Amino acid sequence: EVQLLESGGGLVQPGGSLRLSCAASGFTFSSYAMSWVRQAPGKGLEWVSAISAGGGTTYSADSVKGRFTISRDNSKNTLYLQLNSLRAEDTAVYYCAKETIPRAYDMGVWGKGTTVTVSS
Amino acid sequence: LPVLTQPPSASALLGASIKLTCTLSSEHSTYTIEWYQQRPGRSPQYIMKVKSDGSHSKGDGIPDRFMGSSSGADRYLTLSNLHSDDEAEYHCGESHTIDGQVGYVFGTGTKVTVL
Repeated sequence: EVQLLESGGGLVQPGGSLRLSCAASGFTFSSYAMSWVRQAPGKGLEWVSAISAGGGTTYSADSVKGRFTISRDNSKNTLYLQLNSLRAEDTAVYYCAKETIPRAYDMGVWGKGTTVTVSS
Repeated sequence: LPVLTQPPSASALLGASIKLTCTLSSEHSTYTIEWYQQRPGRSPQYIMKVKSDGSHSKGDGIPDRFMGSSSGADRYLTLSNLHSDDEAEYHCGESHTIDGQVGYVFGTGTKVTVL
């Protein structure tokens, strides 16, 4: 069974940093692109960032470019999202997601999410 | 960038059918979209992919009463024989590559109420 388990969320002050992790199991992690999607309280879904299967190529939404960095460690079956220069509007539940088929860059399986709250 | 438009809400009676719409911006009317279900307090779940020709491919465990179709720039998700646990937010989304950059856009979601 494919499973994704996010961790690393919490309360952080504006301007602070956090590192989110997503532990993957039940599939060949190194064969699939992965994404991060967030959802602010009471709002819709917002794609944040994606990374190719091998990790060599990354893509990010304009709203987080230069502040968030996606990465992966295929030897550890783990996806990461480094969040820097956090703002109040980054407050959201952050989900990691696995694509349906290689190079689709869609969201075939989702984790349960981890909550990031940016507040002083 | 593509824009996906969804009505904010929809409702139907228990056991009835409901057809949800996701409309692509006109210049992107041939794009493939995905449908996701998000029950209250839960993470989203992939339902299916719907192509411009109306063909669709469902995720594992998605029941036969969930069907996809297309007409022009509209992509549809039809839920038949509505169950109480179909009450959820339904999101559409699409992946695109522009100038070599991959991106993904979601619609604003449709909240479905089962009466």
